[in-house]
Amino acid sequence: GAVVSQHPSRVICKSGTSVKIECRSLDFQATTMFWYRQFPKQSLMLMATSNEGSKATYEQGVEKDKFLINHASLTLSTLTVTSAHPEDSSFYICSARIVGSYNSPLHFGNGTRLTVT
Amino acid sequence: DQQVKQNSPSLSVQEGRISILNCDYTNSMFDYFLWYKKYPAEGPTFLISISSIKDKNEDGRFTVFLNKSAKHLSLHIVPSQPGDSAVYFCAASYLTTGNQFYFGTGTSLTVIP
Repeated sequence: GAVVSQHPSRVICKSGTSVKIECRSLDFQATTMFWYRQFPKQSLMLMATSNEGSKATYEQGVEKDKFLINHASLTLSTLTVTSAHPEDSSFYICSARIVGSYNSPLHFGNGTRLTVT
Repeated sequence: DQQVKQNSPSLSVQEGRISILNCDYTNSMFDYFLWYKKYPAEGPTFLISISSIKDKNEDGRFTVFLNKSAKHLSLHIVPSQPGDSAVYFCAASYLTTGNQFYFGTGTSLTVIP
C-alpha cells in the first residue's frame, strides 16, 4: 500500500514555457503532500507543502509565483513550473503521508526529470 | 543549516559483509528518524524508521540504531547484497508537529559481488 504516482517521469521543454507535474496518492488519502527538488549529488530540498483545499506553504527562497501548487483533492496535487528557465532543470519529487497517521513515513513518487532547453 | 548530516558520501562493501551507514543530527527535538533508499531517476523508497523512545529497530536484514545522547543513528545491512547498491538518505522529523522532514545528503553504497 501507500503508493504515490507522479507524472510525467521525464519532460523536456523550451525556455519560457510552463510545465505541469501531477502527484497522486493511489491507495490512500493525503491532506498534505510535499514537493521536493534534488540537485545532482545533493540532498532532497523541500520546496513547498501542499494542503488540500488551501494555499500551499512555501519554503524560504522558493518563488511561489514560479512554482504554482494546487491541491484540489485528497489524492491529487500538481506543481506547475511557470516560464521555465534552464536553471529550473532539476529532479522534482512529490511525497505524501497517510491522513491521520501518527508515525508514518513519507511515501515518494518516482520523480520528474525536468530539462529546460 | 544542515540539521541532518551524512558525512560519508560513499561506501563500498563486499557482498555478504555488513554495511554500516551513519547519520548525525543537530536538533535534539527530533523524535522520528527514517532511512530511505534511492535508485537513480527514481523517488526514495522507505526502508525503516525508529522513534526516539527506542534505540533499535530491526526489519529483516536492516537494523537502525539510535544514540540520542550522541545525536547519531546508523543503518546496518546484514548480509549486504548487490541489489542494495543505491543512495541511502537518513531523515528526521517531529512526531507531534508532523510534517517537516529533514534529509541528509545521502551515502552511495556499492556492494561488490
